[in-house]
Amino acid sequence: AQSVTQLGSHVSVSEGALVLLRCNYSSSVPPYLFWYVQYPNQGLQLLLKYTSAATLVKGINGFEAEFKKSETSFHLTKPSAHMSDAAEYFCAVAGGTSYGKLTFGQGTILTVHP
Amino acid sequence: EAQVTQNPRYLITVTGKKLTVTCSQNMNHEYMSWYRQDPGLGLRQIYYSMNVEVTDKGDVPEGYKVSRKEKRNFPLILESPSPNQTSLYFCASSLTDSNQPQHFGDGTRLSIL
Repeated sequence: AQSVTQLGSHVSVSEGALVLLRCNYSSSVPPYLFWYVQYPNQGLQLLLKYTSAATLVKGINGFEAEFKKSETSFHLTKPSAHMSDAAEYFCAVAGGTSYGKLTFGQGTILTVHP
Repeated sequence: EAQVTQNPRYLITVTGKKLTVTCSQNMNHEYMSWYRQDPGLGLRQIYYSMNVEVTDKGDVPEGYKVSRKEKRNFPLILESPSPNQTSLYFCASSLTDSNQPQHFGDGTRLSIL
């Protein structure tokens, strides 16, 4: 079965600092990987997705993620945090043996301090 | 405007009283899915549907039912709700399957007393 682990339920950074949100996955087949963002009282929005075309994936709002097969990781980064980046972030994996299933990580709440 | 619409947005009800949460999408998507979100657990998939009349269990299907009689609608049914089903529920859809980006509704917050 596929699974996702997000290391760190809370991450706090200063405005302008590097953002690093960690995601490790488990999948028996080449995975489809996603990062979603959830702002307070809203649904989830897609930040970016990996579909094997390139290991470094660029998303919206300056975020990017790198797929590392050897480490089974798909960490999310942004060079310089903005106050507006404060939200909860979810990593998700699909494409395993359970076709149709989408598995999310536990989520990471990002706080940005002025 | 492309959207996934859930109703109601908020509901407080009592144990055992059947309820239905509706979900409708206007994008002609084949794939639809329901999730529940609980603090510290992320989103967990309840049921999904690959197309009309095709539904399958996700990771936490117990206590829930779904139907897909029309492509645009995918209601979630709680026939005998219990307090452990108090949660934030999301419906999502995508063009073909779970490998595609999901479009999420705004959520339904259910409280079962």
